[in-house]
Amino acid sequence: DAGVTQSPTHLIKTRGQQVTLRCSPKSGHDTVSWYQQALGQGPQFIFQYYEEEERQRGNFPDRFSGHQFPNYSSELNVNALLLGDSALYLCASSLGGLVVVDEQFFGPGTRLTVL
Amino acid sequence: SQQGEEDPQALSIQEGENATMNCSYKTSINNLQWYRQNSGRGLVHLILIRSNEREKHSGRLRVTLDTSKKSSSLLITASRAADTASYFCATDPDNYGQNFVFGPGTRLSVLP
Repeated sequence: DAGVTQSPTHLIKTRGQQVTLRCSPKSGHDTVSWYQQALGQGPQFIFQYYEEEERQRGNFPDRFSGHQFPNYSSELNVNALLLGDSALYLCASSLGGLVVVDEQFFGPGTRLTVL
Repeated sequence: SQQGEEDPQALSIQEGENATMNCSYKTSINNLQWYRQNSGRGLVHLILIRSNEREKHSGRLRVTLDTSKKSSSLLITASRAADTASYFCATDPDNYGQNFVFGPGTRLSVLP
């Protein structure tokens, strides 16, 4: 039973470019959340997808967008990259349909470096 | 400001000693969870405690929750070098529309 998988593992981009990160949830999970974790900080919630729709969103600009596919996998897109977007991007899956979120399972993350 | 704040920010102990980390939060919650992260990789779920629970155990872990003080503690007993990691508390606020919030973490070093 595969856990949460993310790709790619590492990514290097330059300012102004666009990036797409991918996540496959744990088998049986239908909800995907994305987090940004800067070095030495805790993860910051970006948004959550359930039933192919954005259900909740954190305090991130519109440059951050996402998508969820019918198989529950998800993409995170970041446009017009800034140096400050350099971070570890974590994907977490859970069982949705509820307001209360129980245990989330995290993927290994994608390390994005913006030069 | 962040919902969860861990204390201390960093902790260094000898193998075999106990480690205690604290977490404070601001709004009422549905549950509180503790996670471990090794070397900036993915987070591993340790334990979840619901708002109507006061204490929970899992192996060498003991978590307490005091909703009147809006605080939680994580105790790791008989620590091992492999426990060296960052530990985060995360809260699920009970107001619909608020997102899942992590604190800045406690960096634990267990020295052999």
